[in-house]
Amino acid sequence: AQKITQTQPGMFVQEKEAVTLDCTYDTSDPSYGLFWYKQPSSGEMIFLIYQGSYDQQNATEGRYSLNFQKARKSANLVISASQLGDSAMYFCAMREGFRSSNTGKLIFGQGTTLQVKP
Amino acid sequence: GAVVSQHPSRVICKSGTSVKIECRSLDFQATTMFWYRQFPKQSLMLMATSNEGSKATYEQGVEKDKFLINHASLTLSTLTVTSAHPEDSSFYICSARVGANTEAFFGQGTRLTVV
Repeated sequence: AQKITQTQPGMFVQEKEAVTLDCTYDTSDPSYGLFWYKQPSSGEMIFLIYQGSYDQQNATEGRYSLNFQKARKSANLVISASQLGDSAMYFCAMREGFRSSNTGKLIFGQGTTLQVKP
Repeated sequence: GAVVSQHPSRVICKSGTSVKIECRSLDFQATTMFWYRQFPKQSLMLMATSNEGSKATYEQGVEKDKFLINHASLTLSTLTVTSAHPEDSSFYICSARVGANTEAFFGQGTRLTVV
């Protein structure tokens, strides 16, 4: 079963506006971590933001914020004030058993291609 | 943040030959590294978990004899694609963690083309 689901293959946003990229997950482990990565056309994976399952507050990093709704098992990424350089593919990922001896492998969603329009 | 260097960034090889890809942690020791494969416009699929000083753990469906992984030191893991075929053409990317409660840092990736 798909553990990480990104239902938006592609998204458009006008420059300077905010955009939300959806991510839902499925796990029975009470301890897990959720990540968002940006992948520009060059291929590198750029870490954006992290949310732990026990974190009480939603994570924020500059223009990036994570809308964590634990009961709904969703971890949407919000990008505020979009810039042309934000155009890229965005991946949501999960690591289970975060506090255990788990190797810590990441499971990735299908990705969302974001295009910022001038 | 921590730096992971992957080499080469691009490689073209002939069908039937082998290709080695290196993944180095430059400023930290990584007991565990991960190798992923990514087809165009698709997600990253974990191929194997590389553990320093022991055999790699391969994901289901990944041929361990075709994708040889060696993690001989705390800063270097290598992936060798043996007897490469055109269907092995893909983007390969490694990652490593500094510790248990940190994000994974990725290498720049290697774009392999088998002709």
